[in-house]
Amino acid sequence: SSELTQPPSVSVSPGQTARITCSGDALSKKYAYWYQQKSGQAPALVIYEDNERPSGIPERFSGSSSGTVATLTIHGAQVADEADYYCYSHNSDDRGLFGGGTKLTVL
Amino acid sequence: QVQLVQSGPEVKKPGTSVKVSCKASGFILSDSVVQWVRQPRGRRLEWIGWITVVNGNTDYAQKFQERVTISRDMSTSTVYMEVSSLRSEDTAVYYCAAYRDFESSPLGFDSWGQGTLVTVSA
Repeated sequence: SSELTQPPSVSVSPGQTARITCSGDALSKKYAYWYQQKSGQAPALVIYEDNERPSGIPERFSGSSSGTVATLTIHGAQVADEADYYCYSHNSDDRGLFGGGTKLTVL
Repeated sequence: QVQLVQSGPEVKKPGTSVKVSCKASGFILSDSVVQWVRQPRGRRLEWIGWITVVNGNTDYAQKFQERVTISRDMSTSTVYMEVSSLRSEDTAVYYCAAYRDFESSPLGFDSWGQGTLVTVSA
């Protein structure tokens, strides 16, 4: 299928590890990218090509992918990490594809 | 610095068209792919389509193929997205995003415009 499925919400306490999953057939062949979107702002790239971190993104953000599931992990989540997170990949036609988004709450 | 600056908010009536611009600076636009994404208030990001700037090749999500046109003006480093036959469901913030140096960089779409609110209302 050409869908990416994410849990609607994830909640952790400050300092805990937050894991957000993204599942879809496309991920077995295409890279996953992760975007962080804070309220009222444009999305910002936090992970590219499954597990690479752009410069300026804190080391607590990491990514992994296995089979049809990609995972964004935030080690030692902070209140400042509260945001919506979207996975992104490409479908079999090489067109863009976003997951449904996951609201991360840190409190 | 790398910037994508989009045009201002628009209010349109159903059945009309809107054209949103995205002006690039701080990087070579002709080495880029620019995509458009929209987000209705409180809802998910939705991929609309993209353009390979150097040759003008475009591709669109199936649901937008009949109503959306993405174009570029390399002389002004600007990419445009036009949506025709607007309906209330098209009310959303529209974003452009650039994949700079796409033939050699792995970063993907790491540069985003600030977003343009398009409101469709009678």
